[in-house]
Parts: sequence; structure tokens; C-alpha cells
Amino acid sequence: DTEVTQTPKHLVMGMTNKKSLKCEQHMGHRAMYWYKQKAKKPPELMFVYSYEKLSINESVPSRFSPECPNSSLLNLHLHALQPEDSALYLCASSPIANSGRATYEQYFGPGTRLTVT
Amino acid sequence: GNSVTQMEGPVTLSEEAFLTINCTYTATGYPSLFWYVQYPGEGLQLLLKATKADDKGSNKGFEATYRKETTSFHLEKGSVQVSDSAVYFCALSRDTGRRALTFGSGTRLQVQP
Repeated sequence: DTEVTQTPKHLVMGMTNKKSLKCEQHMGHRAMYWYKQKAKKPPELMFVYSYEKLSINESVPSRFSPECPNSSLLNLHLHALQPEDSALYLCASSPIANSGRATYEQYFGPGTRLTVT
Repeated sequence: GNSVTQMEGPVTLSEEAFLTINCTYTATGYPSLFWYVQYPGEGLQLLLKATKADDKGSNKGFEATYRKETTSFHLEKGSVQVSDSAVYFCALSRDTGRRALTFGSGTRLQVQP
């Protein structure tokens, strides 16, 4: 199984709503990532988890709250978002080498298309 | 810092034409290099990779060779199909420190029948 799954595929939410994005992988990867992608742009890194612990936060606003409840799951909790947060949110995973550093290639899910109204 | 530069798109080709998408990079040490493809409405798929100088990555008829002397990783395909229409991203990952991917800006390929 080389698949990363994400739910929901599409999400429309108001600025006062609370919602969550979910990501799951069963490849045994111990590094997981959240990216944000705006139209016609490359993905921008938001968060990195290594061994279920947050290792990188790219100065993301606190209205985005990541969570890694176990080695297969990654969530992104959303609250009080702004219209400019509308984007494709991508989850990715990668294996970690024996040295403890994430190895190089990342495997991406299909993304959640988020629209904030 | 690290950076990846790709040729501007869109690239428009007829079916069965030869494809080259240029990619050059700036990085210290010995980065790994990747090409990802994104079809409309989908996530990114790893197309091919190379982890050291002179390595050639290949997949689905696409190839790219890691050229350290020219800091390049150009993507090529001998005969494109309409189904190859997508956005192609070149990316690198450093061999030390933070292993997050650095992406190029992406190149849109349109293949016409």
C-alpha cells in the first residue's frame, strides 16, 4: 500500500466554523507533513511531524492546529479561518532513516480543497 | 539557501513530440532531486528521483539525470501523450539538516492531439 488518503475531498466553511482535515497512511512512515497550495503555485510547507512529535512549524497562524494522534494519522484543525486561507491542503509522508532524519522522497495525498466563505 | 528554478510555462506540444523541461538548483552539499507531477484536481505524484551525481531517474518514459557540474536535473520524454498534460514540479531535499522539500515554481505541460 503506497497510498496517502485525505478526507474530506472538498470542504466549504464559514469564518466562524471549526472543522478538521484528516490524513492517513499505512506505509509505516514516521514523518508526516501538511502543505498549503494556492492556485498555480508550488506547495508551501506548514508543519512537519517526526515520530508523532511536531518538529517544524513554518510560522503558521494559530487558527491552524495540527495533531498527530498516532503513527498513521495526521489531523489539521481549523478555526476562525479567513477567505485567504482558501487553498488545496496536501498531506504527505516519508520514511525516516536509521539516523532519525527523514529520508528524501515524500508521498502526497490527493488533497482537500478548502473554501472559506 | 536552497532554491530550484524551472522554465516558465505553459509548454505546448503536439502528441509524440519530444519534451524537455529545464530545472536548475542551488544548494550546499549533496541534495536529492525529484520530479513530481500534478494532474488537474489531484495531489502530487512522485515521478522520479536521483540521489547522487550522475544518477538517472526514470519512470513511465520520463528521464532526468543529476548533473552536479551544471547543477541541473532536466526532465525529458521522447514521445509525449495527451495524458501527460499536467503541471511538473522539480524539487530538492538537502542531505543534512532540515529535509523539507524545496519546490520549483512548476511548469504546465499541454499536449495537443
